[in-house]
Amino acid sequence: EPEVTQTPSHQVTQMGQEVILRCVPISNHLYFYWYRQILGQKVEFLVSFYNNEISEKSEIFDDRFSVERPDGSNFTLKIRSTKLEDSAMYFCASSASLTDTQYFGPGTRLTVL
Amino acid sequence: DQQVKQNSPSLSVQEGRISILNCDYTNSMFDYFLWYKKYPAEGPTFLISISSIKDKNEDGRFTVFLNKSAKHLSLHIVPSQPGDSAVYFCAARGIGGSNYKLTFGKGTLLTVNP
Repeated sequence: EPEVTQTPSHQVTQMGQEVILRCVPISNHLYFYWYRQILGQKVEFLVSFYNNEISEKSEIFDDRFSVERPDGSNFTLKIRSTKLEDSAMYFCASSASLTDTQYFGPGTRLTVL
Repeated sequence: DQQVKQNSPSLSVQEGRISILNCDYTNSMFDYFLWYKKYPAEGPTFLISISSIKDKNEDGRFTVFLNKSAKHLSLHIVPSQPGDSAVYFCAARGIGGSNYKLTFGKGTLLTVNP
């Protein structure tokens, strides 16, 4: 069964550094998303991406964040100048269409020290 | 901003019994609702969904009920199995424009005891 994959499973970085979280969405899906879950809190929407453009972003997704689909398979989330409060589980998701179910990857745990 | 609320942080049931997980929402623009299941160290796994034009959707042991006037939905699992033990998230989605992001509740930890 096709699934969303994410690497790395755990990323540790120093405050102020840049990190890139990687995702491989399900191959025939066209819509891509990033969500995050801070420990003990809700899963929160960050950004949606379609046709090489951001469709929607939340207030969390400030100018330190960026997304990219560098090739036909990967979808990346870059966080520059990381802060302690960026520590969270980051989930990538994809869907075949705008109204189709979003399928989630296993997540990347980001720890900012 | 609690547009989707799961007021029970945990629920414990005996194997073979019914599990009922509840979810309330406040945003009347939501028109599609989903339940996801999450095991530790894994991502949310889609379980079942319901459109606002329906009041019930069933898939095997899982049934979701929607009461639109009360802005309430529930997930019934019958019979419950120990492998169902996980965190269950209720999520809601709007329609039109860019309102396809999912808004999640805080989750309910279900424990099914053998």
